[in-house]
This record gives sequence, C-alpha cells and structure tokens, in this order.
Amino acid sequence: QKEVEQDPGPLSVPEGAIVSLNCTYSNSAFQYFMWYRQYSRKGPELLMYTYSSGNKEDGRFTAQVDKSSKYISLFIRDSQPSDSATYLCAMSETNAGKSTFGDGTTLTVKP
Amino acid sequence: GAVVSQHPSRVICKSGTSVKIECRSLDFQATTMFWYRQFPKQSLMLMATSNEGSKATYEQGVEKDKFLINHASLTLSTLTVTSAHPEDSSFYICSARLGLVLDEQFFGPGTRLTVL
Repeated sequence: QKEVEQDPGPLSVPEGAIVSLNCTYSNSAFQYFMWYRQYSRKGPELLMYTYSSGNKEDGRFTAQVDKSSKYISLFIRDSQPSDSATYLCAMSETNAGKSTFGDGTTLTVKP
Repeated sequence: GAVVSQHPSRVICKSGTSVKIECRSLDFQATTMFWYRQFPKQSLMLMATSNEGSKATYEQGVEKDKFLINHASLTLSTLTVTSAHPEDSSFYICSARLGLVLDEQFFGPGTRLTVL
C-alpha cells in the first residue's frame, strides 16, 4: 500500500465549476502538506502549503487538512481553463524532511 | 517565488554515453537540492537528496554509480547519468529548498532525457 493515495482521474469539469481534489495517507507522522500544480512537460509549482490540521485559503484555492481522518483536500472555486493541469499532493514529517508525493490528478476545465 | 533552472531542457543521446544535467537556484541559496525522476502519468520518484559540500543521500534502489550527483555550491547541483541506456529515458526534475522554517521546494522545469 502506498503511503499517499490520490485519485488519478482524469477529472473534467466545465468552466466555473468548483473542483475538489483529494488525497489520503497512512503515515500519521506527516505534519506538512503541500499541493503542487504541474503543467504538461513542466516542473511542479507549489500552490498551497499547510501545517497540521485546518484550512488555508489563497484566492480561488482552499486547502483542507483533516489529520484525524488522514485526508487532505484542495478546492478550486470558479475554475478556469488555465487551471487544467495535473495536481500533486505531497506531505512530509518534518520541515526539513523529504516529501512523499501522490500520483497526481489530471484536471481539465472546459470553456 | 524562487526560481530554479535546469539545463538542458531536452537531450537525446546514444546508449552508452553519459549525460550531465545542471540544476541552478537563480535568486536564492539552496541548502538542499533534490533530484526526482518522473515517468509518464506517474508521480515524482525521489532519487537523491544533496546538500552543498557533502555526499548525496540516495533512495533505496537508486544506483549511486550510475546517477552521480555533485552539489558544488549553494546554487548548483549536477546529475550525471553514466553509461545511459534506453531504460534511463525519463523526465528528470530537480528542486531546491530555501532551508527556512517551512519545507517549501521550488522545482526546476525538468529535463527530458531520451536514450536511443
């Protein structure tokens, strides 16, 4: 069993929809949670970074962490075609440790 | 945000040759750099962690003698794929960490290696 599980999709939504991306994990020692966006043939770009449980909002993006359920989510409001990409969740035990990545969810937002 | 560059962005080589990939942090000093490999439609697989001035720490199953990593300065790390074979064809991505409180990694744009 992988330490981090992520629904690979693909996920296709119309423009303006609310998108929910999710990851589950098994390692209870994870404390730092990240979401990355990766466009085709490019390196990942950090979108959101959260520590421990709770919510964090940045513009149209909201990250949620529920450590009791070992479940994290990324919500995208008012989705745009430019949001079409692969979204990777990642998590680490310490602030200086290596990150474990999910396999990524491919999102397509149709105009 | 911090910028990380990689060179070359794409390389095609013959089987048996060696290929060097450079990773540079352009506007910050990176205490730690990571090298990843990514297969199509799969996630990032960490190959090794390198700290400036010390030997890289390789993940289990990654051949040290095949994937040589040199972290010569706080802004430059290189990955050399020695005696490359077709199965080494992949997308190689580096990332650099600022080394501040949070574990933020800034990724390079990746290098597409094709071994014929």
